[in-house]
Amino acid sequence: GIQVEQSPPDLILQEGANSTLRCNFSDSVNNLQWFHQNPWGQLINLFYIPSGTKQNGRLSATTVATERYSLLYISSSQTTDSGVYFCAVRTTSGTYKYIFGTGTRLKVLA
Amino acid sequence: DTAVSQTPKYLVTQMGNDKSIKCEQNLGHDTMYWYKQDSKKFLKIMFSYNNKELIINETVPNRFSPKSPDKAHLNLHINSLELGDSAVYFCASSQEPPSGNQPQHFGDGTRLSIL
Repeated sequence: GIQVEQSPPDLILQEGANSTLRCNFSDSVNNLQWFHQNPWGQLINLFYIPSGTKQNGRLSATTVATERYSLLYISSSQTTDSGVYFCAVRTTSGTYKYIFGTGTRLKVLA
Repeated sequence: DTAVSQTPKYLVTQMGNDKSIKCEQNLGHDTMYWYKQDSKKFLKIMFSYNNKELIINETVPNRFSPKSPDKAHLNLHINSLELGDSAVYFCASSQEPPSGNQPQHFGDGTRLSIL
């Protein structure tokens, strides 16, 4: 089955720093989502981005489906950005089935 | 209004008991899911239902029995609970092709602890 790897696994930043999180996948996908799992355990939708680039405030994401990766950019990080970031993909042959990546655990220090 | 709601939020019970988790979505989506998140935070799909029909069963033990009475509800019943069932269980919903293409929305999770 498809493999979804995220890097780095762990990241510690000072408040105000920028970062890039990466999601690599081993097969063609027709859907990709980025989630933030906050310290209370809630999974928050960040982006629905099967291809192209989207921006939402300090966050932006780019998916290059032909090269099988997606990037999540966080600028001017804040302590509230702490948590675990997941990408989830649906393969072109796997409707109704999403595979989650391994996650990036982010801690932003004040 | 909560889009995907699941109850209870916490469930603490003894090994061998039977328990249920309920999930409801008010987004009008046609597909619902159950995921399991283990202690290492890894999220794995268990089941998906489309229009009340089981589509995906990811080799989950028979002790887990999902039931979808209608498109807006997907419940999970677990028989003979084991220590390894301790995890956070998430319900989600989405609108899938060909009738649409909407992202997944998740409930807040149910933390199940087996004593």
